[in-house]
Amino acid sequence: KQEVTQIPAALSVPEGENLVLNCSFTDSAIYNLQWFRQDPGKGLTSLLLIQSSQREQTSGRLNASLDKSSGRSTLYIAASQPGDSATYLCAVDTSGTYKYIFGTGTRLKVLA
Amino acid sequence: DVKVTQSSRYLVKRTGEKVFLECVQDMDHENMFWYRQDPGLGLRLIYFSYDVKMKEKGDIPEGYSVSREKKERFSLILESASTNQTSMYLCASSIRNRATEAFFGQGTRLTVV
Repeated sequence: KQEVTQIPAALSVPEGENLVLNCSFTDSAIYNLQWFRQDPGKGLTSLLLIQSSQREQTSGRLNASLDKSSGRSTLYIAASQPGDSATYLCAVDTSGTYKYIFGTGTRLKVLA
Repeated sequence: DVKVTQSSRYLVKRTGEKVFLECVQDMDHENMFWYRQDPGLGLRLIYFSYDVKMKEKGDIPEGYSVSREKKERFSLILESASTNQTSMYLCASSIRNRATEAFFGQGTRLTVV
């Protein structure tokens, strides 16, 4: 059964820092991996999608990498801003199913 | 823009009531999902549907049912609401071949009293 883990559970950094959020999964037979952002009390906003054949995706200050063989993905945020404060979730779409399995998220706070 | 719309942001219902949560997407997506989100437990899949009138149980289907009579609409039904169903409910949709991302609604915060 696929399990997804995100470490750390919470992170507090000063504005301007570059930071890395981690996501690990137990079954490497994935179709894709997606990173989401969630603001308090709101739905999820898609940030980046990485197909299983890809190694990384970039959008603005965000870069996500995928290493299927080791069951890991990282989300790199460059030059963090207070507006980046949110919970970041990763989800994997395991091959052969239609299900997204989510990690429990990393709650990020960027201090001004 | 893809839009997934959930009918209510906040709902308060009484124990034993039958509750309907509605979700509509405007992108002709084949797949639709219902999740619940609880602190410390993350998002857990309740049900999903990959076509009209098709449904599959997720990880926590007990106490819930779903209906998908039209492609754009996926309803979650709490047959007899209980206090342990107090949660944030999130609907999502995606295209069948999964080449693009899943899109989520804004969530419904349900409180059962």
